[in-house]
Amino acid sequence: ELKVEQNPLFLSMQEGKNYTIYCNYSTTSDRLYWYRQDPGKSLESLFVLLSNGAVKQEGRLMASLDTKARLSTLHITAAVHDLSATYFCPTGQNNDMRFGAGTRLTVKP
Amino acid sequence: GAVVSQHPSRVICKSGTSVKIECRSLDFQATTMFWYRQFPKQSLMLMATSNEGSKATYEQGVEKDKFLINHASLTLSTLTVTSAHPEDSSFYICSALGPAGEEDTQYFGPGTRLTVL
Repeated sequence: ELKVEQNPLFLSMQEGKNYTIYCNYSTTSDRLYWYRQDPGKSLESLFVLLSNGAVKQEGRLMASLDTKARLSTLHITAAVHDLSATYFCPTGQNNDMRFGAGTRLTVKP
Repeated sequence: GAVVSQHPSRVICKSGTSVKIECRSLDFQATTMFWYRQFPKQSLMLMATSNEGSKATYEQGVEKDKFLINHASLTLSTLTVTSAHPEDSSFYICSALGPAGEEDTQYFGPGTRLTVL
């Protein structure tokens, strides 16, 4: 059974700092997503990673995928308060996605 | 990006009643939609995959007779929680596979918060 583990589960960081969120998964998958969720809201799509070595960047966020290591990372550069949210990295086969527990990010001034 | 809506956004009902939640793809056709449940401060759990014109595929442990799914058209899937009980109170979120060229992305609806008294 596919399991997704995110690390850390909680992250508090200062504005302007850099940090990386890690997402490990246990079995082969053909795609990995990154979503953010604000409290009481639904999910907003950030990235779709489809192949080994894929790297995508949008603003202060950059996501990468290493299918051999079964690892994806979400790197945050020069964090700002607006990035405070919970981040999920569901993955799976044929759109049968499994979610990890999420990483709750708080960016403090 | 593609837009998915849900209705209602919030519903409160008495124990034993049934509640229907609608999920619509507003500007594209979605042959496949997904229903998730999220308890407070927890992750999303896939309940079922809804396929237009065919029966839904339920995840292990999800009662198909309690959570009725109907995907009657290419833009609408409904989830009916039958004989709801307090333990069914949760945030229900649907998603749809994106339109042509974006089939690899799941677009999520805004969610429906169900409270069963």
